[in-house]
Amino acid sequence: GAVVSQHPSRVICKSGTSVKIECRSLDFQATTMFWYRQFPKKSLMLMATSNEGSKATYEQGVEKDKFLINHASLTLSTLTVTSAHPEDSSFYICSARESGPTGGQPQHFGDGTRLSIL
Amino acid sequence: GESVGLHLPTLSVQEGDNSIINCAYSNSASDYFIWYKQESGKGPQFIIDIRSNMDKRQGQRVTVLLNKTVKHLSLQIAATQPGDSAVYFCAENGGYQKVTFGIGTKLQVIP
Repeated sequence: GAVVSQHPSRVICKSGTSVKIECRSLDFQATTMFWYRQFPKKSLMLMATSNEGSKATYEQGVEKDKFLINHASLTLSTLTVTSAHPEDSSFYICSARESGPTGGQPQHFGDGTRLSIL
Repeated sequence: GESVGLHLPTLSVQEGDNSIINCAYSNSASDYFIWYKQESGKGPQFIIDIRSNMDKRQGQRVTVLLNKTVKHLSLQIAATQPGDSAVYFCAENGGYQKVTFGIGTKLQVIP
């Protein structure tokens, strides 16, 4: 089946540091990837939609200068949390949908990145 | 309405019994629905999906039912096992690419 690899799985760093998270589709091409944030015992909140070769589409309330997204190839999207602060601590999850007819295929998820800002 | 931010409801089921997890969706234009299973510390895992032109779909030990009239989706798990313990999310695709997740239900299987 389709596999999405997310790296790193856990990051602990000091306040003010920028952190980059990678999301790779290992055995399929994904023109679209998605970045979610999940708080403990809560649902997934879509942050942005990452489109290969173009700018990401951010959800309302998500700061695009804070959460930089780059989707340089059909198999890789990165999320950079710039100048991270303790309130940015969370579980970040990426997903990818196989290229094809829109709306009719499931997203495949990475295993998430636990970000802890001290 | 907006479902993000609510606490997860919990369903406790005896091992071997059938589980039914329910989900209400909000967008009547949604044409594709998915159930995901999320274990602690991991990303969601695809379980089963259904398109709006169907009202039932079966997989291995799982069945999804769709009632478009009342905008309701359910996931039935037969002979629930301890390994089924997880949080289950329904998701709806109501637009070009965007998928909206429900609040999730925590399934606890009692041995």
